[in-house]
Amino acid sequence: RKEVEQDPGPFNVPEGATVAFNCTYSNSASQSFFWYRQDCRKEPKLLMSVYSSGNEDGRFTAQLNRASQYISLLIRDSKLSDSATYLCVVNLRGYNKLIFGAGTRLAVHP
Amino acid sequence: DGGITQSPKYLFRKEGQNVTLSCEQNLNHDAMYWYRQDPGQGLRLIYYSQIVNDFQKGDIAEGYSVSREKKESFPLTVTSAQKNPTAFYLCASREAGAGQPQHFGDGTRLSIL
Repeated sequence: RKEVEQDPGPFNVPEGATVAFNCTYSNSASQSFFWYRQDCRKEPKLLMSVYSSGNEDGRFTAQLNRASQYISLLIRDSKLSDSATYLCVVNLRGYNKLIFGAGTRLAVHP
Repeated sequence: DGGITQSPKYLFRKEGQNVTLSCEQNLNHDAMYWYRQDPGQGLRLIYYSQIVNDFQKGDIAEGYSVSREKKESFPLTVTSAQKNPTAFYLCASREAGAGQPQHFGDGTRLSIL
């Protein structure tokens, strides 16, 4: 079983749609969680950290469920510019490295 | 501006040749990382370093070597032993401590001639 699993997609949605990405992680010692965005042929960029109580940044909302070892990212009112691959990232307690999911591709169309 | 600089942006390697990819950061981060990404695939960790003069193998270290003589520099050498080196190589750095994200350079594309 992969340490971090994501639905590869692609998710094809119209502008203005709400889309949700899910991610599961296998190690209960996971301590920190992040969502990154990667545009085609570019480097990953931090979208947001995920906090235990859930957090929101504009149209983006991240949730964490430690009991189910599950992270989610919700994008409201999708824009064409949201088209990218979204990476779920986990840091194990005591380890100085991050574990990246393979990513979920989002394509927003007019 | 603070950041991570990778060079060159594009690199071509001949058969049997070693090539070195540069990664420099001025963020004063202790930890640095090298990843490889193949088309349509996720990131795979090659090597990482938590402090100067120390580094650990990642998941796919065979055919690669690194050094960490200075805090700000973490060069990656792709040796002739790496039989399939064509990929997108990403360097990252991170501040020590729980909850700290990684920050990436803009990558080097390596192709074999």
